[in-house]
Amino acid sequence: SQTIHQWPATLVQPVGSPLSLECTVEGTSNPNLYWYRQAAGRGLQLLFYSVGIGQISSEVPQNLSASRPQDRQFILSSKKLLLSDSGFYLCAWSLGPRNEKLFFGSGTQLSVL
Amino acid sequence: AQTVTQSQPEMSVQEAETVTLSCTYDTSESDYYLFWYKQPPSRQMILVIRQEAYKQQNATENRFSVNFQKAAKSFSLKISDSQLGDAAMYFCAYDDMRFGAGTRLTVKP
Repeated sequence: SQTIHQWPATLVQPVGSPLSLECTVEGTSNPNLYWYRQAAGRGLQLLFYSVGIGQISSEVPQNLSASRPQDRQFILSSKKLLLSDSGFYLCAWSLGPRNEKLFFGSGTQLSVL
Repeated sequence: AQTVTQSQPEMSVQEAETVTLSCTYDTSESDYYLFWYKQPPSRQMILVIRQEAYKQQNATENRFSVNFQKAAKSFSLKISDSQLGDAAMYFCAYDDMRFGAGTRLTVKP
């Protein structure tokens, strides 16, 4: 069966420090991969999605970047965190675009202080 | 760009009763998919129900059903026989990309 792993679960980082969040999927090939951010009390904002290795689409220009070095690995990064980067980050995968349901990771709560 | 609006930040329902959560969206496309996701206190997002826009029949999943009005661009979720475990944030979503701000559902015993 397919599983998705996302880590760490909680992260506290100072302003200006780098960030690396990792997400891996098991049990499937060539999944669509997504990074979402959920600000406190708000809905999900799509940050990046990827339909294949090295293929990254950015939805919102910001302080973050994403990479997909392997088929089932998706990494969210920042060189210098801002206070506004705080939030709950969710990785997700699907079998195809648009019409397939999303399978979500357990999320990372990032606090930038 | 597509937008999704959930106008009810909070809703409450008595256990065993029925509640309807509202969602409207804006799109110029004719073929798309709509979803309702549930986020319980554990924060694990779970799919509740999915609707294909080209299907006129409303989707149902056990106690959950939708009222899909394509012309009105409305997609509401009805929860029948509400249970304590239904308490959660509910998000309406357009394709995989656009989510509403969510509705927090409280179930009163």
